[in-house]
Amino acid sequence: QVQLRESGPGLVKPSETLSLTCTVSGGSMSTYYWSWIRQSPGKRLEWIGYVHYDGSTNYNPSLSSRVTISMDTSEDQFSLKLTSVTAADTAVYYCARTCTNSLCYNYWGQGTLVTVSS
Amino acid sequence: DVQMTQSPSSVSASVGDRVTITCRASQDIGSWLAWYQQKPGEAPNLLIYSASTLQYGVPSRFSGRGSGTAFTLTISSLQPEDFATYYCQQAHSSPVTFGQGTRLEIK
Repeated sequence: QVQLRESGPGLVKPSETLSLTCTVSGGSMSTYYWSWIRQSPGKRLEWIGYVHYDGSTNYNPSLSSRVTISMDTSEDQFSLKLTSVTAADTAVYYCARTCTNSLCYNYWGQGTLVTVSS
Repeated sequence: DVQMTQSPSSVSASVGDRVTITCRASQDIGSWLAWYQQKPGEAPNLLIYSASTLQYGVPSRFSGRGSGTAFTLTISSLQPEDFATYYCQQAHSSPVTFGQGTRLEIK
């Protein structure tokens, strides 16, 4: 059974960089797209972007100037970096894996709350 | 971006009721639509993908229909564990986008 688990600081200061890691267990990282999705309190889910096993990436244009998603297959991990954060970046951040033949998401981490505050 | 709009935003129903939630896309997305269930404090759970294909392990009381710009999720006979928030998501074009959610509450 594939499992994903997010880790990283729960509190980030404004203007600093948010960094999260997702550790994957129970399955190979090949073939799929590995994504970050966030959910601000009371708001809809927002797709941040993905990294593919081949190293290619795709980001939401609304965040692309501040986002980097990378993968470390030797550690079965992928990571999110979001620079110059503001209070608007406060959210629960999920890592997720795509379905086999579609950009739906059938495996999710439990989510981690990141609060941006001084 | 493809805008996804769900209706209603919330609905009250009783155990045993049949409930239908609608999702509309701002442009043609073919059958590239997924539905998720989310309970408080939990990650979303995939119910249906490709508009009408039931994810493995999801009860058959859940069903999805539609193509193009109009889609529905139907729960044929509500069970107590079905009271949650439901989201649609388009997987046709980047960026992936989600509906605003439909909260299903107990009447």
